[in-house]
Amino acid sequence: EVQLVESGGALVQPGGSLRLSCSASGFTFSSYAIYWVRQAPGKGLEYVSRISSNGDSTNYADSFKGRFTISRDNSKNTVYLQMSSLRDEDTAVYYCVKDTQHSAYGAYGGTFDFWGQGTLVTVSS
Amino acid sequence: DIQMTQSPSSLSASVGDTVTITCRASQGISNYLAWFQQKPGKAPKSLIYAASSLQSGVPSKFSGSGSGTDFTLTISSLQPEDFATYYCQQYNRHPLTFGGGTKVEIK
Repeated sequence: EVQLVESGGALVQPGGSLRLSCSASGFTFSSYAIYWVRQAPGKGLEYVSRISSNGDSTNYADSFKGRFTISRDNSKNTVYLQMSSLRDEDTAVYYCVKDTQHSAYGAYGGTFDFWGQGTLVTVSS
Repeated sequence: DIQMTQSPSSLSASVGDTVTITCRASQGISNYLAWFQQKPGKAPKSLIYAASSLQSGVPSKFSGSGSGTDFTLTISSLQPEDFATYYCQQYNRHPLTFGGGTKVEIK
């Protein structure tokens, strides 16, 4: 059974930093890209970042470039999202999501089959 | 960025009804379109990819169609468990973008 478990969400002050983790199981982790998608309270879904199966390629939505860093450790089946210079508007549930496409067919398929349960990040003074 | 516009933003329907949700892209995206279902307080669930292909385990009551800029999600024979918010997502071009969502409520 595919499982994605996020952790690390917390209450943090504006300007602060936080690292989220996504621990995966139930599939060959090193063969799939992983994404972060977030959802502000009462709002829709927003793409944040993605990382290729071997970590060589990363991409970010413009709102997060220079503030967020995605990385992965395939020996630990874990993806990380390092967030810095946090703002009130970064308050959201952050989901870790698995790509549908095996890396043999390209770095990114672009869409998702499995989602984690999410971890809540609250930015407030 | 490619803008995704869903309509309606909400709809009311009865158990047993068939409903259709529309998603329009601001430019052509071929068939790089996915649909997700989200229930209150839960993570989204993937329903459809490549505009019309069902994810594993998704019942055939869900169907998708379209190509280019206009897409639809149809849910037949609505059941209580289908009342949720539905999102489309394009993956033709980075950054990935989502529609604003359509909330399907019980009439």
